[in-house]
Amino acid sequence: NAGVTQTPKFQVLKTGQSMTLQCAQDMNHNSMYWYRQDPGMGLRLIYYSASEGTTDKGEVPNGYNVSRLNKREFSLRLESAAPSQTSVYFCASRSSDKKRETQYFGPGTRLLVL
Amino acid sequence: DAKTTQPPSMDCAEGRAANLPCNHSTISGNEYVYWYRQIHSQGPQYIIHGLKNNETNEMASLIITEDRKSSTLILPHATLRDTAVYYCIVRVTFNAGGTSYGKLTFGQGTILTVHP
Repeated sequence: NAGVTQTPKFQVLKTGQSMTLQCAQDMNHNSMYWYRQDPGMGLRLIYYSASEGTTDKGEVPNGYNVSRLNKREFSLRLESAAPSQTSVYFCASRSSDKKRETQYFGPGTRLLVL
Repeated sequence: DAKTTQPPSMDCAEGRAANLPCNHSTISGNEYVYWYRQIHSQGPQYIIHGLKNNETNEMASLIITEDRKSSTLILPHATLRDTAVYYCIVRVTFNAGGTSYGKLTFGQGTILTVHP
């Protein structure tokens, strides 16, 4: 049981390049999330997916798109990367118990945009 | 959203109890208090959560005041590996498409340093 996995672990992009961050979970969770974390700040929600086939914007969605490919996988795409998107990106999934907001986080992807 | 206030940093001696406070004076009656921690360079890790009653698990204890406006996370015997940023979060419920969902908003947390 690997939990939440993310690829890649590190990435360097040039301004304007595109890339997709991959996330997968093997816990049969319905909900999945993408956060970004910048130095000295807490996590900010980018997008979330309450269930397979649905996605919704979080606090900071601009410049990002997501795809809930199936129940296991939730990808985050940067179509035209900008230096302001330099950050650490965390994916999370949540157990299906609506009374228990326990999110399980992946190890993160460290992205540098030059 | 209910806002939480935590001290930016705390120290604790190894083997002693670490008591991390959190104020959430605007919490609503049906909102849960959650605690997560983040060890350097890793993803956040769930610790414990509660609504009204005190809670205990294998990692920590959570004490919630009777008026629910504040809480304290207790690590009974802190170790060096407990050095981390600790987040106190109030779970907010929102409705979308006729379904109720929970939302966690991470603030800046408390940097707990456990020293020998």
